[in-house]
Amino acid sequence: DVKVTQSSRYLVKRTGEKVFLECVQDMDHENMFWYRQDPGLGLRLIYFSYDVKMKEKGDIPEGYSVSREKKERFSLILESASTNQTSMYLCASSLRGGGIQETQYFGPGTRLLVL
Amino acid sequence: DAKTTQPTSMDCAEGRAANLPCNHSTISGNEYVYWYRQIHSQGPQYIIHGLKNNETNEMASLIITEDRKSSTLILPHATLRDTAVYYCIVRARGNQGGKLIFGQGTELSVKP
Repeated sequence: DVKVTQSSRYLVKRTGEKVFLECVQDMDHENMFWYRQDPGLGLRLIYFSYDVKMKEKGDIPEGYSVSREKKERFSLILESASTNQTSMYLCASSLRGGGIQETQYFGPGTRLLVL
Repeated sequence: DAKTTQPTSMDCAEGRAANLPCNHSTISGNEYVYWYRQIHSQGPQYIIHGLKNNETNEMASLIITEDRKSSTLILPHATLRDTAVYYCIVRARGNQGGKLIFGQGTELSVKP
């Protein structure tokens, strides 16, 4: 089974803090994604990566950065947390290529509260 | 990616089949139908996908109409643990870095 894990299920941080969210997948997937999910807004793509050290901006990259030093690990960084970044953060991964490989598999999510 | 329309909510009795419909009338030839579900406070879970043939796996069956304008996800024997929001997504293959666009989904409540 594909397994995507996220470092924390719940996180409380203060405004201005630097926040690291980590995601690890154990299926040798090339593609990894970070989304945030907010009520009424659905999932929104923040960043994705299709290879080690490669990254692409999604729809809402402002206020975030990412790091992919190893294939299995994709980190989301909130440089200076703000209250409007309170959200559920979801990591996903998929294989590169056609067929079923493009299916995205999600982690359990991290619910972040910024005070 | 084509837009989908799903009922907002549905109820199903435990042990009965749950049939969740999805309309995707603007689907194009290279777009697949995916189904995910999200149990409260958890990440989305992949269920099944298909192009034009009916598909079945250990979780569910997917029935796609001949004109591909609609589909139905079938959970053959729903349990209380199947209570979740079910999302129907239409997406082209080869969209490597493409995001998944989740609509509002159908909130399925399985009742004892």
